[in-house]
Formats: sequence, C-alpha cells, structure tokens
Amino acid sequence: DTAVSQTPKYLVTQMGNDKSIKCEQNLGHDTMYWYKQDSKKFLKIMFSYNNKELIINETVPNRFSPKSPDKAHLNLHINSLELGDSAVYFCASSRQLGNYGYTFGSGTRLTVV
Amino acid sequence: QQQVKQSPQSLIVQKGGISIINCAYENTAFDYFPWYQQFPGKGPALLIAIRPDVSEKKEGRFTISFNKSAKQFSLHIMDSQPGDSATYFCAASAYGSGNTGKLIFGQGTTLQVKP
Repeated sequence: DTAVSQTPKYLVTQMGNDKSIKCEQNLGHDTMYWYKQDSKKFLKIMFSYNNKELIINETVPNRFSPKSPDKAHLNLHINSLELGDSAVYFCASSRQLGNYGYTFGSGTRLTVV
Repeated sequence: QQQVKQSPQSLIVQKGGISIINCAYENTAFDYFPWYQQFPGKGPALLIAIRPDVSEKKEGRFTISFNKSAKQFSLHIMDSQPGDSATYFCAASAYGSGNTGKLIFGQGTTLQVKP
C-alpha cells in the first residue's frame, strides 16, 4: 500500500488547458502539502492544509487552486496552463502541523507544450 | 532570511569514502533540520533529522553534525556505497510564534559514489 499516492504520474498537455492532480494519503496524517520541483531540482512549497483548512498559501499564481475534500485528500487544480508550469509536483503529508518529517508521494511530472 | 544554502552542488566519492554535504541558514527561529534523499523518478524520503538541542545525531552510516552558533549543519555518509548515489536535500523549519512549520529546502546535492 502506497502511503502517499499521486495521480497521474505523468501529464502532458497543451498551453491554456485546465488539469488536476490528485493526492491521497493513508497514513492518518493531519497535514498535507503541495511542493513544486523545478528543472534544477529546487523544491518550493506551494500550499499546506491542516485538517482540510488552508494553512499555507505561498506566492503562487491564482491559476493554481488546491482543494481538500477530507484530511486524506489534497488535490491541485491548474487553470490556463503555461509553459512555465512545467515541473514535477509533489504531494506530501506529515503527522500534524509543526516540525515533523514529511512523507512525499512519487510526484507528477507536468509538461506543458 | 528564509533561505537554506547547501553545498556542494555535486559530489563524487569513491566507494568506502566519506561524503560530506554542508548547509547554512540565517533564520534563528529554525528548530528542526531534516535531510532528505531523492532517487531519480521518486519523491524525497526522510533520511535523518536533528533538533538544535543536540550537536550530533547518528543513524547507521548517516550522521548529522549541528553547529548552532555558526548556524550550520552537515550530513556525513560514512563508508559511502554506490547505492547511496542520489540527490540529498537539507531542510529547515520553524514552528510556533507565527511560524507554520513549513520546510524550506536547500538547493540539493547530487552525490555519485564510484565503485
């Protein structure tokens, strides 16, 4: 059983399209995150939810909208995709808010053409 | 002040050697310092972590050394093996007093261990 699972693993789409990435964790964790890893492998936080409540909303274009239907799921919807959105997007979870280790999913490689 | 600076960017070590990766930070509110290991096509995985009340933590071949006054911490991999070849990230976070506990990552170090 995968602890943090993301779908799809690969996503190739055209500029201007709208797409979603889904994330589910079966660890019973309270807190979930979205991170973006660019082509230089730099990891930057985008959003964080704690028990379905938005906690962190970094400087991210409002074309990106997270949704957490319950504490085990955190989805990422992206409108009007741009070339610069191409990256690997990682979902992660932690036991609770605070200084705890994160468990990452295996990532979704988004390519915008 | 939120940055974590990591060096070197890449590292080549012979099998059996010691790999050393360094990180420095500015924010004195940081109070949790983990290291993550990432293999190609996989997500980062927690390797080892330290809190600032200790100066060293060892787990198997992996050791974190922490210098609070210098605001630096490092990862030492003893007896490096080809299977250790991966990208390593240091990170830091602060929680409480308005801090959310979000992890700030270093830029990553690509380690290659030659047989």
